[in-house]
Amino acid sequence: GAGVSQSPRYKVTKRGQDVTLRCDPISSHATLYWYQQALGQGPEFLTYFNYEAQPDKSGLPSDRFSAERPEGSISTLTIQRTEQRDSAMYRCASSLTGIVGYTFGSGTRLTVV
Amino acid sequence: DQQVKQNSPSLSVQEGRISILNCDYTNSMFDYFLWYKKYPAEGPTFLISISSIKDKNEDGRFTVFLNKSAKHLSLHIVPSQPGDSAVYFCAAGLGGGTSYGKLTFGQGTILTVHP
Repeated sequence: GAGVSQSPRYKVTKRGQDVTLRCDPISSHATLYWYQQALGQGPEFLTYFNYEAQPDKSGLPSDRFSAERPEGSISTLTIQRTEQRDSAMYRCASSLTGIVGYTFGSGTRLTVV
Repeated sequence: DQQVKQNSPSLSVQEGRISILNCDYTNSMFDYFLWYKKYPAEGPTFLISISSIKDKNEDGRFTVFLNKSAKHLSLHIVPSQPGDSAVYFCAAGLGGGTSYGKLTFGQGTILTVHP
């Protein structure tokens, strides 16, 4: 597509439920990143993919967080047994090559109540 | 441990004047730096970058300066325009290896340019 698309735009879930967030990157982009952004803070790295490979998942806060990109295109970020501290904006970005071509989506605002 | 810091949460500037946004970092291994601009309800958009082998990069009204010895970078906007009002994030990254492309962001500075 023309830009990075994330869905849903907003998600409210009850504590303990699982949620899955979706990212549809720019079609020609090999690399896809997930970031978490708390209110008033900058984005914090969670994980990234190079096609379907996941070279770095060091930023995932706990084993409740997982991400997939099975066919090297669309990616999902799943949070199991959500907690209130998981409430944040989750941003996806994709890149053709390197870091200058990084394009962010508009994000998914997750609220855990 | 915040490796990239923007110590000014906000900055207010008159239209036509210079805006200077500052950023400090602690990790001397960072080898490229970027500025992103973010409007409300949108994702951050890339503005300008600089490699650690340079001390200045210019693109139109935007200039980024890097002082490696002080671990400090700044973004200058001249002249400032009301449309520049946004949140500005600085970010730093490591080249090569499995961390390639992973960025560490500052907290952001809200720039307001008054007509």
